[in-house]
Amino acid sequence: GAVVSQHPSRVICKSGTSVKIECRSLDFQATTMFWYRQFPKQSLMLMATSNEGSKATYEQGVEKDKFLINHASLTLSTLTVTSAHPEDSSFYICSAIDRGGSLRETQYFGPGTRLLVL
Amino acid sequence: GENVEQHPSTLSVQEGDSAVIKCTYSDSASNYFPWYKQELGKGPQLIIDIRSNVGEKKDQRIAVTLNKTAKHFSLHITETQPEDSAVYFCAASEGKSTFGDGTTLTVKP
Repeated sequence: GAVVSQHPSRVICKSGTSVKIECRSLDFQATTMFWYRQFPKQSLMLMATSNEGSKATYEQGVEKDKFLINHASLTLSTLTVTSAHPEDSSFYICSAIDRGGSLRETQYFGPGTRLLVL
Repeated sequence: GENVEQHPSTLSVQEGDSAVIKCTYSDSASNYFPWYKQELGKGPQLIIDIRSNVGEKKDQRIAVTLNKTAKHFSLHITETQPEDSAVYFCAASEGKSTFGDGTTLTVKP
């Protein structure tokens, strides 16, 4: 149980275009999802917390107009990197919490999306 | 906010030996402490967790200990195998998780 998927797993785009990454909880309802960014050989950096039906809460230093997050349903959250630039190239990972489960704080991570902006 | 420190940053052991990774946290309100294993190019995978009302938890070759007074917790892996090689992250949570910087574990056959 508790599987989180991400799509796409890898994306290459041109500078200036927008890229959408999907995060889905496959076998549970996720009222809360998190979006992380990870640079090579570094830890996970929390970008924003996404709650179903409400606006995402962004961490300090993360541009909300640059990284658009939509948590439209209990099983889907999307991250859109708008007007992507090479410095946005990174590994983006989502996680989800099953608030209805017995392990209410356990985060289940997706497999990550590798973004390369040329 | 919470601050989590993790040591060592790299750890190399011989197959069959034990590996220990330690973390300290700063916020006494943190009450949930998960450990994740991340293989290259993949998302983190939860391997074990412990809550603040428990001092120790074990799952086969993996164990975690928690000292709330000292605000530190440790991951113990016994009888290490080459497939244990990965990056391990600790985290402390009081609703939102703060991660350590990670430990790269290499198990030499």
